[in-house]
Amino acid sequence: KQEVTQIPAALSVPEGENLVLNCSFTDSAIYNLQWFRQDPGKGLTSLLLIQSSQREQTSGRLNASLDKSSGRSTLYIAASQPGDSATYLCAVLGSGAGSYQLTFGKGTKLSVIP
Amino acid sequence: SQTIHQWPATLVQPVGSPLSLECTVEGTSNPNLYWYRQAAGRGLQLLFYSVGIGQISSEVPQNLSASRPQDRQFILSSKKLLLSDSGFYLCAWSFSLLGYEQYFGPGTRLTVT
Repeated sequence: KQEVTQIPAALSVPEGENLVLNCSFTDSAIYNLQWFRQDPGKGLTSLLLIQSSQREQTSGRLNASLDKSSGRSTLYIAASQPGDSATYLCAVLGSGAGSYQLTFGKGTKLSVIP
Repeated sequence: SQTIHQWPATLVQPVGSPLSLECTVEGTSNPNLYWYRQAAGRGLQLLFYSVGIGQISSEVPQNLSASRPQDRQFILSSKKLLLSDSGFYLCAWSFSLLGYEQYFGPGTRLTVT
């Protein structure tokens, strides 16, 4: 059974700092990995999708990397802003039995202090 | 562009009452549709998914059911709510089961009292 872990559970940084969020998964048989952002009481916004054959994806100040063999992904946020404050979720789409299912981590709650 | 809607946004229901949550997608045809639940302190859990009208697969045994009466409409129901049904319910869609991004709706906050 796939398990996804996100560390740290919460992170507080001053505005302008670069930061890294970590995601690890136990089964490397995945189709892709997706990073989401969730604001309090809101739905999920997809940030980046990395296919299993890719090593990284970039969108603006965000860069996500994937090391499938070691079961790790990182989300790098450059020059953080107060508007980046949210919970960031990592999810993997497995390629084994039950491959239709995204397995989510519990998220990292980010606070960017002005 | 595609848009996904959910309603109601919030709902407070007594134990034992029925439930109907609706999700609709605009701007695409034959999407794959998903219902997730996010309970306090837990990650998102897939409840149901559908690859077409009338085709529903369930991921976990529970008090809930799902239906897809139209191509872009997905409904989550219960005949009798339990306290444990409280949570944040999210609908999502994708172009395909495998390899494509899933896009989420705004969610419904359900409180069972």
